[in-house]
Amino acid sequence: DAGVTQSPTHLIKTRGQQVTLRCSPKSGHDTVSWYQQALGQGPQFIFQYYEEEERQRGNFPDRFSGHQFPNYSSELNVNALLLGDSALYLCASSQLAENDNEQFFGPGTRLTVL
Amino acid sequence: SQKIEQNSEALNIQEGKTATLTCNYTNYSPAYLQWYRQDPGRGPVFLLLIRENEKEKRKERLKVTFDTTLKQSLFHITASQPADSATYLCALEGLYNFNKFYFGSGTKLNVKP
Repeated sequence: DAGVTQSPTHLIKTRGQQVTLRCSPKSGHDTVSWYQQALGQGPQFIFQYYEEEERQRGNFPDRFSGHQFPNYSSELNVNALLLGDSALYLCASSQLAENDNEQFFGPGTRLTVL
Repeated sequence: SQKIEQNSEALNIQEGKTATLTCNYTNYSPAYLQWYRQDPGRGPVFLLLIRENEKEKRKERLKVTFDTTLKQSLFHITASQPADSATYLCALEGLYNFNKFYFGSGTKLNVKP
């Protein structure tokens, strides 16, 4: 049973560019959350998708947008990249009906903005 | 604004001792508090969840306490092992903001043989 997978593993972009990160949730999970983790910091909640709709959003600008597909996979898009967007981007999946709201995290995508 | 604080300094302990990590929060009413382990270059791994109406929860060598009056959770690892060395994160999910998680910055635990 594959866990949460993310692609690509690493990415280098320049300021002003746009980037798309992808996530496939753990089998049986219907909810996907995205986090940004700067070096030495905890993950910061960006948003969560359920039934192809954004259900919750953290304090991130509109440059950060997402999508969830019918197969529950998800994309995170960031427009007009800034140097400060350099971070590890984590995807986490969960099953709405399960107790404990346990999130399973993927290995992350390391984004570097030059 | 909401704040979640974990000791930023690394905790160094000897193998076999009990490690105790602290998570304090302000301006927040969490419904759940979760603890995660994160190894370098990896995503966090879920360890335990405790609800706001629970005082204590245990799982094998792990114990979590939750004091909503003190706004604090303590995470204990008994009989610690070098393999327990990692960064430990606490995460809160709000009473009025379900499915929105706020993480602390984590505490690095070093268990020396």
